[in-house]
Amino acid sequence: KAGVTQTPRYLIKTRGQQVTLSCSPISGHRSVSWYQQTPGQGLQFLFEYFSETQRNKGNFPGRFSGRQFSNSRSEMNVSTLELGDSALYLCASSLDRRGDEQFFGPGTRLTVL
Amino acid sequence: GENVEQHPSTLSVQEGDSAVIKCTYSDSASNYFPWYKQELGKRPQLIIDIRSNVGEKKDQRIAVTLNKTAKHFSLHITETQPEDSAVYFCAASRGHTGNQFYFGTGTSLTVIP
Repeated sequence: KAGVTQTPRYLIKTRGQQVTLSCSPISGHRSVSWYQQTPGQGLQFLFEYFSETQRNKGNFPGRFSGRQFSNSRSEMNVSTLELGDSALYLCASSLDRRGDEQFFGPGTRLTVL
Repeated sequence: GENVEQHPSTLSVQEGDSAVIKCTYSDSASNYFPWYKQELGKRPQLIIDIRSNVGEKKDQRIAVTLNKTAKHFSLHITETQPEDSAVYFCAASRGHTGNQFYFGTGTSLTVIP
């Protein structure tokens, strides 16, 4: 089976712009979670999507949003970018929502200038 | 919400020695505890996990122990090898209520040949 894929792998944006990141889960996996990874804060949970619905949300401002499509692919959007949004954004897919093993994608490295 | 603390933040051991990383959690409803290994520039990969109905689990040189009463769990790596050098993250989740994982801040393990 192909693993979790994320596009693009690298992004450079300027403050105030918006960005959309994409995640394709492992085939058959229905849950997709997003995390922000920074050197100081580690991995912070952003949100989880299952059956095209947001099921859980972390403590991030409303500028961070996401969605999931019927084929389980997911996108996250960050509007009005700030310097502090520079991070590695990881998505992880799971078969279901029962605390199953999460498989991570390679991440998208976002740099905000 | 859940709060996961991880210690130490850095750990250096001689090749062949054992390494122990400890995590504590705050939410008594957490029941699934995975450990991830992240090599430089790569995605986190699950190395072992444990559920709350089990006190210990072992997989070759890696073992995890869980003390539900004290709300702490530990990763033990025996006979360490240079390829064990990486950042290790512990995590906790409520399992059946979804895939919202709370991560520790990571331990950078260096195995000195």
